[in-house]
Amino acid sequence: KAGVTQTPRYLIKTRGQQVTLSCSPISGHRSVSWYQQTPGQGLQFLFEYFSETQRNKGNFPGRFSGRQFSNSRSEMNVSTLELGDSALYLCASEVAGTGYNEQFFGPGTRLTVL
Amino acid sequence: AQSVSQHNHHVILSEAASLELGCNYSYGGTVNLFWYVQYPGQHLQLLLKYFSGDPLVKGIKGFEAEFIKSKFSFNLRKPSVQWSDTAEYFCAVNAGNNRKLIWGLGTSLAVNP
Repeated sequence: KAGVTQTPRYLIKTRGQQVTLSCSPISGHRSVSWYQQTPGQGLQFLFEYFSETQRNKGNFPGRFSGRQFSNSRSEMNVSTLELGDSALYLCASEVAGTGYNEQFFGPGTRLTVL
Repeated sequence: AQSVSQHNHHVILSEAASLELGCNYSYGGTVNLFWYVQYPGQHLQLLLKYFSGDPLVKGIKGFEAEFIKSKFSFNLRKPSVQWSDTAEYFCAVNAGNNRKLIWGLGTSLAVNP
């Protein structure tokens, strides 16, 4: 069974640009969550999508947005990039929609903003 | 605001030493508790979890954790570490009906052979 995949693995952008990251969950998983990981802040929850709807949202500005497609694949977009957006962005998928289950993580996308 | 605190940021042990990593959280209600591990060059993966029942939970690779509700703690333990346990360990909490996972900053464990 293939794991969670994220593309691209590495990105370099400049301030003011926008970026789109992609996540393909494990087959059969319908929930996808996104996290930002930085050395100083650790892992911070961005948002969760389930059945193409955003179900939960963290405390990030509106420049961070996402969506989920009917095949459960998800994309995350960051507009007007800032230096502080440099981080590892992790995607995690979960099988069920109710209660809480184990999340399976992808390898992450390393975003560097210059 | 809910938070998770991991007291040890860096731990260095020799093989066969015992390990205990601290994790405390701030939330007074029902919680789901997790320990995740990230081995060098690998994805985050679940070590163990507590939802309810026996507060002493056993995970993979000989790890266990004890939920002490009165202390808001979920410490991770292993009686005898191996070099292959070198990794970063994260404690995470899901509080009440909130589906967000709140994470600690992680503990970097280095085991010397």
